[in-house]
Amino acid sequence: SQQGEEDPQALSIQEGENATMNCSYKTSINNLQWYRQNSGRGLVHLILIRSNEREKHSGRLRVTLDTSKKSSSLLITASRAADTASYFCATDSSGGYQKVTFGIGTKLQVIP
Amino acid sequence: GAVVSQHPSRVICKSGTSVKIECRSLDFQATTMFWYRQFPKQSLMLMATSNEGSKATYEQGVEKDKFLINHASLTLSTLTVTSAHPEDSSFYICSAASNSYGYTFGSGTRLTVV
Repeated sequence: SQQGEEDPQALSIQEGENATMNCSYKTSINNLQWYRQNSGRGLVHLILIRSNEREKHSGRLRVTLDTSKKSSSLLITASRAADTASYFCATDSSGGYQKVTFGIGTKLQVIP
Repeated sequence: GAVVSQHPSRVICKSGTSVKIECRSLDFQATTMFWYRQFPKQSLMLMATSNEGSKATYEQGVEKDKFLINHASLTLSTLTVTSAHPEDSSFYICSAASNSYGYTFGSGTRLTVV
């Protein structure tokens, strides 16, 4: 079963605005990762945050993790039309390389 | 960085035939490989986990006799969809796990069964 649940499921914003997507999960995790997927394509790894980390930055991306609430957020600042894609959070459970479970995703549309 | 090569990227086959999809880790050894399928506008659903030299572990509801997984080496895993039917049409993605690079995903295979 899918553990992660992203919200919103769809998000439409103007270019230049910030986009925030949230992800909630149910069980204890080792890591949480965010991926993007352009329509009909493979996955692109964006960022990984470990369970003992609270915030991480990578370029225009900012990820937060709240293990007490079992939630994470992905913020894309100064969005561009090229950021239009689906974004998924994925979790893997504690202990070695366990299976990675994906959420249902947020479809982001950035309007030029 | 790590690269996982997945082939073919697209395949169209006739109903009743079998299709093999390859997932190959380039320049690194993958201790574990995962296979996912994704229906249109949906998330990725884990099908099975495979470790080199041992039988794959399938998720509930996934038919192991229909989706044959072979993980013959630390750099290659294959998924064979046997006796394919139109409802097997989907996007299949593999992922390779390693100590050095974590999880690396292939670019996916679009299977269409006609």
